Amino acid sequence: NAGVMQNPRHLVRRRGQEARLRCSPMKGHSHVYWYRQLPEEGLKFMVYLQKENIIDESGMPKERFSAEFPKEGPSILRIQQVVRGDSAAYFCASTRDRDDYGYTFGSGTRLTVV
Amino acid sequence: KQEVTQIPAALSVPEGENLVLNCSFTDSAIYNLQWFRQDPGKGLTSLLLIQSSQREQTSGRLNASLDKSSGRSTLYIAASQPGDSATYLCAVSGNTPLVFGKGTRLSVIA
Repeated sequence: NAGVMQNPRHLVRRRGQEARLRCSPMKGHSHVYWYRQLPEEGLKFMVYLQKENIIDESGMPKERFSAEFPKEGPSILRIQQVVRGDSAAYFCASTRDRDDYGYTFGSGTRLTVV
Repeated sequence: KQEVTQIPAALSVPEGENLVLNCSFTDSAIYNLQWFRQDPGKGLTSLLLIQSSQREQTSGRLNASLDKSSGRSTLYIAASQPGDSATYLCAVSGNTPLVFGKGTRLSVIA
């Protein structure tokens, strides 16, 4: 039973390019959460999705960032026109239900913008 | 707005010592509290989950307690080992998705 799978593990983008981060939740989990960890900072909530629905995007920057969780396939966090300040570790977590017995996190994607 | 605070920010202890990490949260209306471990450059490993109706959970040398009414949790590590060196994160879930503290960076010196 594979855990939460994130890819790629490391991603390097030049300023102005697009970054696409993928997250496959644990089997049987239909709720996905994205978090960002900036260097020397805590983990900050970005967005919460269920299949085909964005439930809470209160932590998403207003511009350049978007997320989806289609009916088939992984959840995608998309960052357009990346800037150096987007360099961070992006973690995905999944739960079975909204009030689940704990979050399971993936290993993260480390984005470096050069 | 839920806020989670962890004290101390960093801790260095000799091997074999028992230690306590503290976590406090401002909104007591939580579903559960989770303690995680994060090694440098790695992901998060869940250590213990305490549901809001529970007072404590134990796993091996780890024991976590929860006092929901006072908004506090402690993580007790017995007989610390160098392999316990990592950052320990406390997080609570409630009306909002999981909210994290900034963590306690633990170093266990051999």
